[in-house]
Amino acid sequence: ETGVTQTPRHLVMGMTNKKSLKCEQHLGHNAMYWYKQSAKKPLELMFVYSLEERVENNSVPSRFSPECPNSSHLFLHLHTLQPEDSALYLCASSQERGNYGYTFGSGTRLTVV
Amino acid sequence: KQEVTQIPAALSVPEGENLVLNCSFTDSAIYNLQWFRQDPGKGLTSLLLIQSSQREQTSGRLNASLDKSSGRSTLYIAASQPGDSATYLCAVRPLLYNNNDMRFGAGTRLTVKP
Repeated sequence: ETGVTQTPRHLVMGMTNKKSLKCEQHLGHNAMYWYKQSAKKPLELMFVYSLEERVENNSVPSRFSPECPNSSHLFLHLHTLQPEDSALYLCASSQERGNYGYTFGSGTRLTVV
Repeated sequence: KQEVTQIPAALSVPEGENLVLNCSFTDSAIYNLQWFRQDPGKGLTSLLLIQSSQREQTSGRLNASLDKSSGRSTLYIAASQPGDSATYLCAVRPLLYNNNDMRFGAGTRLTVKP
């Protein structure tokens, strides 16, 4: 295990469903991130939480709603998604600043039908 | 704005070859540079993390170098194996005060043929 755990690994949902992705880290990091990776595209940063506060939202549609109840857990709530939202969603954690790298989870493969 | 470029986008080599992957970045004000490996449909696995004060890092058959002043890094893979087939991404962490989130390149897709 990488230290960052994402569940579920795979998710198929209809456009009217509501679901949530979960990310958990036990590395003592204080920053957590959601990334989207579509086929043949670079990683897209969606949300950043630093010290449990959202510090960045890269113009992500409101049908994606993040939640960070504490420094170890991060959620991405999904509702009324579109087929183009199908992608690999990756969670990462790090220390907020300084000479630290990122640790990634294994990702959730989301398919919207 | 920090931009990260990786060349080539794809590379195919026969097993046993030594190879070099390239990464360039536009702003030398960075905390560190990190190389990752990604297998299809999976998350990113960290390979090497080089701090801005370092010139290189080694792990097994992998060696990463950093030339911060010229905005370049290379990942050297010795004696490549089919199991090395994956996409390799580099990322830099800028020194910007309010936005030092990592910036990623688009990756190099490596295929090592038996």
